[in-house]
Amino acid sequence: QQQVKQSPQSLIVQKGGISIINCAYENTAFDYFPWYQQFPGKGPALLIAIRPDVSEKKEGRFTISFNKSAKQFSLHIMDSQPGDSATYFCAASDGSYDYKLSFGAGTTVTVRA
Amino acid sequence: DAGVIQSPRHEVTEMGQEVTLRCKPISGHDYLFWYRQTMMRGLELLIYFNNNVPIDDSGMPEDRFSAKMPNASFSTLKIQPSEPRDSAVYFCASSFSREETQYFGPGTRLLVL
Repeated sequence: QQQVKQSPQSLIVQKGGISIINCAYENTAFDYFPWYQQFPGKGPALLIAIRPDVSEKKEGRFTISFNKSAKQFSLHIMDSQPGDSATYFCAASDGSYDYKLSFGAGTTVTVRA
Repeated sequence: DAGVIQSPRHEVTEMGQEVTLRCKPISGHDYLFWYRQTMMRGLELLIYFNNNVPIDDSGMPEDRFSAKMPNASFSTLKIQPSEPRDSAVYFCASSFSREETQYFGPGTRLLVL
């Protein structure tokens, strides 16, 4: 039973375009929502994270939008570059309980030059 | 810091053989996680330790899997006997309490023939 549902499974975007990945969760106790980026042959690495007390967080070209009432959050990659081609995972955890991360299924992003 | 170190990076073995995967977490980190990644099931948490003590092993698929953490700088994941369906990439990750970022190692790609 996947606690975090992620879509789409894959997407292709042109260089300079916007990539949008969506995630939804059910557990209202989740209070930490990171996004991990994984390149082929490498381990996932933290890209950006958000907590429910803010609705948006931006770091460079990467923005997380968070909708607590809808229990949804999304990653926007602005001005997508070929170097952004990777698999992106959303995740969630309940820090008051333990540090287990529940991961989404992943989205493979391909940026065409 | 060298980051999380895993060995071997690749392992090819025959069905029925014992496989031991090794992990050295980042110095000072008190949480250690073992994950398995496959195309079908994505990233699955197998087990995690806090201060060398196993906290949650509910993700360990079968009794054929076991994990130990004899000290703060070393952990093993053992599969005995191995089966073809165990073929996957196994990741080790570590984190520091009160910081929920998990740092992943490069993974061990296991192929069981």
